Amino acid sequence: AQTVTQSQPEMSVQEAETVTLSCTYDTSENNYYLFWYKQPPSRQMILVIRQEAYKQQNATENRFSVNFQKAAKSFSLKISDSQLGDTAMYFCAFDDSPGGGADGLTFGKGTHLIIQP
Amino acid sequence: DSGVTQTPKHLITATGQRVTLRCSPRSGDLSVYWYQQSLDQGLQFLIQYYNGEERAKGNILERFSAQQFPDLHSELNLSSLELGDSALYFCASSVEPASSYNEQFFGPGTRLTVL
Repeated sequence: AQTVTQSQPEMSVQEAETVTLSCTYDTSENNYYLFWYKQPPSRQMILVIRQEAYKQQNATENRFSVNFQKAAKSFSLKISDSQLGDTAMYFCAFDDSPGGGADGLTFGKGTHLIIQP
Repeated sequence: DSGVTQTPKHLITATGQRVTLRCSPRSGDLSVYWYQQSLDQGLQFLIQYYNGEERAKGNILERFSAQQFPDLHSELNLSSLELGDSALYFCASSVEPASSYNEQFFGPGTRLTVL
């Protein structure tokens, strides 16, 4: 069974600092997709960034970037110039549906990120 | 706003009861997913429907069932409710062509409290 592990239950950084959230996963598939979702206090699930396993280049979305290490099965999220609005739960998620079609996501337990003013 | 709607927002009921949660996917999306978020289990995939047919099953209890109707909205039925069923239930939708990955867009969730 696929598993996703987020080893940091909570992190706290000062505004404008850079923070990295870690995620490791386990799968026997070669082609899969990885995601970081943000869940603010409103509880809405918001996709932050995604990475296709067959792409060697790390995904980037504005202040958010990932460090994808396929051999190590590691997928960390870096948030640069952190802002108060980044305070939220962050979930790492994984999908190894055959053929690339969307299937149920497997989520980690989450990291509660607090940005201090 | 993701375009996925869920009703009701909140639901309070008693043990042993049955409830129905409703989800309307984004316009054009054929696939609907149900997830449960609880303190004990975290976020878990329950079940997926695609164009009216069950596509994939996750950790869904036998007391729970779902269906997707011809207009593509979906309902999740929870019966013989237990205290441990208290959770936030999310619906997500995606377009689902076979040739490329489709992002799942999440609704705002239904907060179920079983007393």
